Amino acid sequence: TQLLEQSPQFLSIQEGENLTVYCNSSSVFSSLQWYRQEPGEGPVLLVTVVTGGEVKKLKRLTFQFGDARKDSSLHITAAQPGDTGLYLCAGGSQGNLIFGKGTKLSVKP
Amino acid sequence: DAGVIQSPRHEVTEMGQEVTLRCKPISGHNSLFWYRQTMMRGLELLIYFNNNVPIDDSGMPEDRFSAKMPNASFSTLKIQPSEPRDSAVYFCASSPSSRGSNQPQHFGDGTRLSIL
Repeated sequence: TQLLEQSPQFLSIQEGENLTVYCNSSSVFSSLQWYRQEPGEGPVLLVTVVTGGEVKKLKRLTFQFGDARKDSSLHITAAQPGDTGLYLCAGGSQGNLIFGKGTKLSVKP
Repeated sequence: DAGVIQSPRHEVTEMGQEVTLRCKPISGHNSLFWYRQTMMRGLELLIYFNNNVPIDDSGMPEDRFSAKMPNASFSTLKIQPSEPRDSAVYFCASSPSSRGSNQPQHFGDGTRLSIL
């Protein structure tokens, strides 16, 4: 069974701080996606990474896919209250996605 | 463009009652997914369809759950009879193609189901 472990489970920081959240597995994935979910809404795709070692930037967010395609990280620079939400990673497997349980981020002004 | 539309947004009913959740995927998307989200278990895939045909229903908890996709623009998830442990947020998502897993999934806003 393929599993994705996300850490930390909860993170509460002050506006302006930097943070990194992690997504790890013992399995290799063909691709990895990151989603953000806000209360009362469905997850929204942020990025897809497909190549081992790939780094993608989305404004203040930096995503990295591990060389072995088993893990990924999301780094946020100078976090803002608008970054608050549940960050989910999802690994591509046989036509569908396997989701981690997420990191719940709270950025206080 | 309209996104994935789910109804109802909230449902509260007594155990034993039949519950039907509805989903309209994004026009032109070939794949449709039903998920359940709880604090304990996170986001779990229940079933997914490709071109209206169920491909993998291994996540459906038990026979009380059933899903249909009679056409490309509509799907239902039915629970009969419902039980308190079915309380969760149910999401529908669609994507352009099931070929490979790199296609993004577009989620609806979910149905919050409470079984008393």
